[in-house]
Amino acid sequence: EAQVTQNPRYLITVTGKKLTVTCSQNMNHEYMSWYRQDPGLGLRQIYYSMNVEVTDKGDVPEGYKVSRKEKRNFPLILESPSPNQTSLYFCASSFGATRNEQFFGPGTRLTVL
Amino acid sequence: EDQVTQSPEALRLQEGESSSLNCSYTVSGLRGLFWYRQDPGKGPEFLFTLYSAGEEKEKERLKATLTKKESFLHITAPKPEDSATYLCAVQSGGSNYKLTFGKGTLLTVNP
Repeated sequence: EAQVTQNPRYLITVTGKKLTVTCSQNMNHEYMSWYRQDPGLGLRQIYYSMNVEVTDKGDVPEGYKVSRKEKRNFPLILESPSPNQTSLYFCASSFGATRNEQFFGPGTRLTVL
Repeated sequence: EDQVTQSPEALRLQEGESSSLNCSYTVSGLRGLFWYRQDPGKGPEFLFTLYSAGEEKEKERLKATLTKKESFLHITAPKPEDSATYLCAVQSGGSNYKLTFGKGTLLTVNP
């Protein structure tokens, strides 16, 4: 089954404790992306990657890191999480940057205390 | 900076009552405009891509249209299962491939 998977689905952590949210897709997609969704602010892009070893900033990259060492995986790293990073996070992928019908993962609900 | 504004924020319809959702955008050269549907607690689901003014796409009761400044999502004879949040997103041209989403329209269709 074609899908985007994220882990964990739910996470409660404390300020400053480094964490990684994994994202994997099995569709051989080139373009992958991370979003956060907050009430009243909508869906905002954090980082995107057009292919292996190619990443670029979205609209809200501060406080986040990403890497793309393999085509299927695109982890989101929070080196020192803060309460304002409490949010619902989505990973998405698509065939390419110019054919950008994205498939979204199920989401990761993160709470930073 | 790309901007996307969706209206109304919320819309309540009776089953069978047709209506339209609006997505106004400002971009420096449109590469593509996308419509997604999002159910509560789930990731968005792709509906349509529109690339140039005058283009139209249809899927079941939904029809998306595009002008140089806005896009409409027309819903014909909606059913309760069409209830969801509908999101619009744009991707501008040039060397930047980021996507900008609007805040969405929450559609409720009552039986």
